[in-house]
Amino acid sequence: DTGVSQDPRHKITKRGQNVTFRCDPISEHNRLYWYRQTLGQGPEFLTYFQNEAQLEKSRLLSDRFSAERPKGSFSTLEIQRTEQGDSAMYLCASSFPGSEQYFGPGTRLTVT
Amino acid sequence: QKEVEQNSGPLSVPEGAIASLNCTYSDRVSQSFFWYRQYSGKSPELIMSIYSNGDKEDGRFTAQLNKASQYVSLLIRDSQPSDSATYLCAVNGGGSARQLTFGSGTQLTVLP
Repeated sequence: DTGVSQDPRHKITKRGQNVTFRCDPISEHNRLYWYRQTLGQGPEFLTYFQNEAQLEKSRLLSDRFSAERPKGSFSTLEIQRTEQGDSAMYLCASSFPGSEQYFGPGTRLTVT
Repeated sequence: QKEVEQNSGPLSVPEGAIASLNCTYSDRVSQSFFWYRQYSGKSPELIMSIYSNGDKEDGRFTAQLNKASQYVSLLIRDSQPSDSATYLCAVNGGGSARQLTFGSGTQLTVLP
């Protein structure tokens, strides 16, 4: 049984560049969540999918952020025109409906 | 007022002692409550979930929930140095909310 996986684990990019992260949920979990965590804070919700439908987006998710889950399996999170304030750990979690959320290892983004 | 509040710590206890971690939440309709453990540089790991008032025990961990007081706690018995981590309280709101709202975490150090 494999857990949630994320790729890449680390990403260093220059301000203004676009980046894309991938998340593979636990198989058969139909819910997938993206969170962002900065140092000393708890994770903050970004967006959530049930199967391929994006059902909820946080106000934190500016128009530079876009997420997809085209076939209801893996998901991608893209950040366009990155800013230094985007530096954070990006966490993906998955769950069954109404059940506990399990997190992947995260992608640490550094914008220079 | 933050939606989920935790004492940031740091909290230090000697090995073998009981560590007590506390969390309060503001949304009275919150339904589900979780404790995650996060080691430095790693992603959150689910250790306890609790859904109804009272105590829930799992090994050395006991979660306590009091919905009337909007309070949830985690007790760690026989604390070990390997328990040294940040403990995150997370709340799943009522209604249609599916995402978790996290506190900022309490840093626990267990001294050998």
